[in-house]
Amino acid sequence: GQQVMQIPQYQHVQEGEDFTTYCNSSTTLSNIQWYKQRPGGHPVFLIQLVKSGEVKKQKRLTFQFGEAKKNSSLHITATQTTDVGTYFCAGPSRTSGSRLTFGEGTQLTVNP
Amino acid sequence: DTAVSQTPKYLVTQMGNDKSIKCEQNLGHDTMYWYKQDSKKFLKIMFSYNNKELIINETVPNRFSPKSPDKAHLNLHINSLELGDSAVYFCASSHGQGRGNTIYFGEGSWLTVV
Repeated sequence: GQQVMQIPQYQHVQEGEDFTTYCNSSTTLSNIQWYKQRPGGHPVFLIQLVKSGEVKKQKRLTFQFGEAKKNSSLHITATQTTDVGTYFCAGPSRTSGSRLTFGEGTQLTVNP
Repeated sequence: DTAVSQTPKYLVTQMGNDKSIKCEQNLGHDTMYWYKQDSKKFLKIMFSYNNKELIINETVPNRFSPKSPDKAHLNLHINSLELGDSAVYFCASSHGQGRGNTIYFGEGSWLTVV
């Protein structure tokens, strides 16, 4: 079946440093979504990428979708303590119907 | 108003007991889900219903039984609880079962089995 792998699993940064999490799928994705879960909270949708090579920005967050539509990344510039949380990528594959598979998540901690 | 609400938020119970978690969404969505999140934060889909019809049933023990009385509600009943069932259970919904649908999660139900 489809697997969505995410690295790193944990990342500790000093406030102000940049952060990147990578997502790789074993199959081609029709689209990819990113979610953020604050400590003690629930996953919240951030963005969806659909086109090959697509790049989208949300303030300090930059999302990319690979040309082959099998990988994606989320980059945060100059992290702040409010960025703390777990970031998940999620993608349905062309062969899995309605199933949305989540990556294992990257848990980000930001030291002030 | 909370879009996806689930109760209870916290549940501590003994092994062998039976418990239920209720979920309701007021977004008018057709599809609802149950996800399980373990201590390592892995999110695993358990079930998915579309218009009250079961469409995804992952490899979940028979002790877990979902019920959808209408498309706005999806409840989860767990029989004979085991220690390994301790986790956070998230109810969620989406507009449809298409591949681009955003998933809206409830706040989670923290289940601890002792």
